[in-house]
Amino acid sequence: NAGVTQTPKFQVLKTGQSMTLQCAQDMNHEYMSWYRQDPGMGLRLIHYSVGAGITDQGEVPNGYNVSRSTTEDFPLRLLSAAPSQTSVYFCASSPTVYEQYFGPGTRLTVT
Amino acid sequence: RKEVEQDPGPFNVPEGATVAFNCTYSNSASQSFFWYRQDCRKEPKLLMSIYSSGNEDGRFTAQLNRASQYISLLIRDSKLSDSATYLCVVRGRTSTSGTYKYIFGTGTRLKVLA
Repeated sequence: NAGVTQTPKFQVLKTGQSMTLQCAQDMNHEYMSWYRQDPGMGLRLIHYSVGAGITDQGEVPNGYNVSRSTTEDFPLRLLSAAPSQTSVYFCASSPTVYEQYFGPGTRLTVT
Repeated sequence: RKEVEQDPGPFNVPEGATVAFNCTYSNSASQSFFWYRQDCRKEPKLLMSIYSSGNEDGRFTAQLNRASQYISLLIRDSKLSDSATYLCVVRGRTSTSGTYKYIFGTGTRLKVLA
């Protein structure tokens, strides 16, 4: 099993550009989520999904969209990048609503 | 007040020492508790889950005190490889929507010195 994979590992965007961060898992987990991690702050939940076709907002959803068309994939879309979205983004999946398994992260810089 | 609070450290300890971290949480309805380990520039990885009063796994012991709303992590016989940031995570219902969510602490940094 590859576990949770994320692409790209690094990305630099200009303000106003859009892009999609990819997340995939091969463990048949129903629960998937996206977090951002900023210095001095804990991981904050952006969006999550409890199964294919079902998504919901987390703590900091503004400026981001998600979809879940399959169990395996959970892409995160930045609609119009802003410098405040410079962060490290982690995708996680869970077989239950307990322990979570994280991907390696995407380091995003918006200039 | 933050929902989950941790001392950021760093805790600098010599190899072989015992070190303990505490984490306090504000939501008394929280139901599940976890410790994750995060190495520099890496993803968090589950270290221990706590579902009752405590859990032990080798050199690591986690305890939960619901009355005082804190959890602790004890590391015995510290190794150089234990150097990392330890994240406290609490899962419970939100007061607004009623859905479950995970709240992460900012982490406690541990450096084990040779």
